[in-house]
Amino acid sequence: SAVISQKPSRDICQRGTSLTIQCQVDSQVTMMFWYRQQPGQSLTLIATANQGSEATYESGFVIDKFPISRPNLTFSTLTVSNLSPEDSSIYLCSVRPGRLTRANYGYTFGSGTRLTVV
Amino acid sequence: KQEVTQIPAALSVPEGENLVLNCSFTDSAIYNLQWFRQDPGKGLTSLLLIQSSQREQTSGRLNASLDKSSGRSTLYIAASQPGDSATYLCAVSGGGSNYKLTFGKGTLLTVNP
Repeated sequence: SAVISQKPSRDICQRGTSLTIQCQVDSQVTMMFWYRQQPGQSLTLIATANQGSEATYESGFVIDKFPISRPNLTFSTLTVSNLSPEDSSIYLCSVRPGRLTRANYGYTFGSGTRLTVV
Repeated sequence: KQEVTQIPAALSVPEGENLVLNCSFTDSAIYNLQWFRQDPGKGLTSLLLIQSSQREQTSGRLNASLDKSSGRSTLYIAASQPGDSATYLCAVSGGGSNYKLTFGKGTLLTVNP
C-alpha cells in the first residue's frame, strides 16, 4: 500500500490567516482526497484532487475557502483560508492506489493535521 | 445515498475480553468495506479490507466479516488489550462513480487494564 507523509502534524493559527497542508505520496496515484474531521465527528470529504485539472469539491465546500493544488502525481496541498475558530478540525489526505474501478486496493490516509484557530 | 451506521457508539471492556463492533450500510452495491483505527488527534490506520466477493478477512487478533446482501459487517477483536483503545471506523466504497468512501461515525473503544 502507499505511504503518505503529511505536514504539518499540528498548528495553532490566528483568526484570518491561512494554513497550507502538504501531502507527499511514495508512489504515483491518480486521485488524492482531502477530508475534514470536526471535533467528535466522522470524516467529511472536502474535495478530490486530480493532477492537471481543477479539484472537484463536495457540496458545502468552495475553492475560495479550500484551494487545492496538485502539481504532479505524488504531491498535493490543501490551503484553509481566512481561518475562523469553526475551522478547528483535523484535516486528512487519502489515496487509493490502482484504478478506481478495481476493488483490490483499500484507501490509505495521512497522519492528519490538527488545526486549532485562536 | 449510502449511509453507514456503527453500533455501539462507545464500548468499555476489561482487558482480555473478546468483543464485536458492528457496521451496517444501506446500499448493498459496494465494491469493498474497510475498517480503520484512529487514535485521538491522529490519522487513520487501515486494519482490514474486505472486497465485495469476500466473506471475511483476518489479521492477527482481528477478524472482519461481511454480509453484503444484508448490508452488515462485524469486526471481532480477540483477547482485547489496553493498546486496542481507539476509535474504530467502518467505511464502504462503491464502483464506477461511487468510488468515494462513506464513513460511519465510529465506535470509541476503551479497554481497561
